[in-house]
Amino acid sequence: AQSVTQLGSHVSVSEGALVLLRCNYSSSVPPYLFWYVQYPNQGLQLLLKYTSAATLVKGINGFEAEFKKSETSFHLTKPSAHMSDAAEYFCAVSSGSARQLTFGSGTQLTVLP
Amino acid sequence: NAGVTQTPKFRVLKTGQSMTLLCAQDMNHEYMYWYRQDPGMGLRLIHYSVGEGTTAKGEVPDGYNVSRLKKQNFLLGLESAAPSQTSVYFCASSYSTSRWAETQYFGPGTRLLVL
Repeated sequence: AQSVTQLGSHVSVSEGALVLLRCNYSSSVPPYLFWYVQYPNQGLQLLLKYTSAATLVKGINGFEAEFKKSETSFHLTKPSAHMSDAAEYFCAVSSGSARQLTFGSGTQLTVLP
Repeated sequence: NAGVTQTPKFRVLKTGQSMTLLCAQDMNHEYMYWYRQDPGMGLRLIHYSVGEGTTAKGEVPDGYNVSRLKKQNFLLGLESAAPSQTSVYFCASSYSTSRWAETQYFGPGTRLLVL
């Protein structure tokens, strides 16, 4: 079975600082990985996804993630945090006949002024 | 284009009551999903559907039933609500393609409190 683990349930950064949210996966087959963002009281929105076309994936709002097979990781980064980035971030892996998503437990990002 | 909508947005039930959550999508998606979100546990798949008239169990199906009578609608039912079903419920949909990285589109969620 495929799974993802998000290290750190809460991350705080100062505005303008680097954002690094960690995600490690466990999979016996090439994984298809996603990062979703959830703003307060809203549904989930896709940030980016790994489709095996390129190991460095660029997403919306300046976020990017790098797929590292040797480290089984897909960490999310942003060079400079903005107050509007405060949200919960979920890493997920796709599997099954209906491409079901298995989510990590989420990381709450706080951006300090 | 409304995307994925969910009805109701919020509901309070007493233990033992029943209710149905409605999910509708206007993107002509084949696949639809119901997830529940609980603090510290991410989202977990309850049931899913790969097309009209078909449903299948996900990771946490106990206590829930679903129906997909129309392609655009996916209903989640609680026959006898329990406090453990207090959660936020999200519906999602996606195209059915051979691509494993197909994007799922999520609704705004339904907050359910069972007393």
